[in-house]
Amino acid sequence: QVQLVESGGGVVQPGRSLRLSCAASGFTFSGYGMHWVRQAPGKGLEWVAVIWYDGSKKYYADSVKGRFTISRDDSRNTLYLQMNSLRAEDTAMYYCARNMATTYYSDYWGQGTLVTVSS
Amino acid sequence: EIVLTQSPATLSLSPGERGTLSCRASQSVSSYLAWYQQKPGQAPRLLIYDASNRATGIPARFSGSGSGTDFTLTISSLEPEDFAVYYCQQCNNWPLTFGGGTKVEIK
Repeated sequence: QVQLVESGGGVVQPGRSLRLSCAASGFTFSGYGMHWVRQAPGKGLEWVAVIWYDGSKKYYADSVKGRFTISRDDSRNTLYLQMNSLRAEDTAMYYCARNMATTYYSDYWGQGTLVTVSS
Repeated sequence: EIVLTQSPATLSLSPGERGTLSCRASQSVSSYLAWYQQKPGQAPRLLIYDASNRATGIPARFSGSGSGTDFTLTISSLEPEDFAVYYCQQCNNWPLTFGGGTKVEIK
């Protein structure tokens, strides 16, 4: 069955960097686009970024553009989110999600990894 | 960016009742709208995509309708496990955006 397992979260100081990972299994990872979606404590969902199945296109939310980079390593079946210049408002649970084939919806989600930006 | 406004913010209903949730877009998203369910401490789950198509394994009591700017999620008869927060998401324009959510609580 489809499994997505995020890791790499933790407590980080403002201005520092962090890299999140999402290990995928149970499907042909190289055939699917992937998303990152975040949720601040007690708040709603915020879409963060998407990468095409072949890595040819990437889109970002305005709130993270220029600071975050989404990437993938198909040989490791792993999705990444490099987060630089972190701010307090980046504090959230970060979910990776699989892009539903031929659409941009997210049909499978991981359980998330928590990022806390605090001095 | 397209803003999605969900109403009401909270819906208080009893098991067995019908629930009607609304999502309004600031501009047309055609039919590229999804609904997700999220329970406390869990990841979201896709319920409906393309405004009216149920995702795999979703019970028939969940239905979606609408196009353009106005969309509705209907739960025909609430089961105890349906009390949760529901989000709409548009996938017509970048960046993708979510609504603020509707909490369906037990009355």
